[in-house]
Amino acid sequence: DVKVTQSSRYLVKRTGEKVFLECVQDMDHENMFWYRQDPGLGLRLIYFSYDVKMKEKGDIPEGYSVSREKKERFSLILESASTNQTSMYLCASSLPGSEQYFGPGTRLTVT
Amino acid sequence: RKEVEQDPGPFNVPEGATVAFNCTYSNSASQSFFWYRQDCRKEPKLLMSVYSSGNEDGRFTAQLNRASQYISLLIRDSKLSDSATYLCVVNEGNRLAFGKGNQVVVIP
Repeated sequence: DVKVTQSSRYLVKRTGEKVFLECVQDMDHENMFWYRQDPGLGLRLIYFSYDVKMKEKGDIPEGYSVSREKKERFSLILESASTNQTSMYLCASSLPGSEQYFGPGTRLTVT
Repeated sequence: RKEVEQDPGPFNVPEGATVAFNCTYSNSASQSFFWYRQDCRKEPKLLMSVYSSGNEDGRFTAQLNRASQYISLLIRDSKLSDSATYLCVVNEGNRLAFGKGNQVVVIP
């Protein structure tokens, strides 16, 4: 079974803090993705990566950056957290052109 | 941006009944299609892929209509455990486009 893990299920941070969300997959997938999900807005793609050290902006990259130093790990970074970044963050991985497998999500609250 | 559109519902379905819903997509070049299920406060999970010839998995049947650019999902003999949000998903190259989901509530 594909396993995608995320470093935290729940996280509370203060405005202005730097936040790291880690995602690890164990299926040797080339592609990895970061989404946020908010009520009424569905899943929105923040960034994705199709290879080590490669990254592509998704639909809402502002306020975020990513890092992919190893194939199995994809990190999402909030340089200076703001209250409008309170959300559920979901990481996913896939083979190219194939279905995505999601991690359990991190519910981030920025106060 | 290319979009995937779904009627959010909710679809209130008596236990044992059949429910069906469609999703339309705008990118005619899309080649792969999926239905995902998402339970409340959980991550989306793949329910089934959608093939050109249609496919069935137990009580679930998925159909693809390329000419009209829509995908459908039918659930027969609904169970209480089928209550969830069903996300229509369309492949667009290296990324997937997600609909906002059809919320299904199965009522005893």
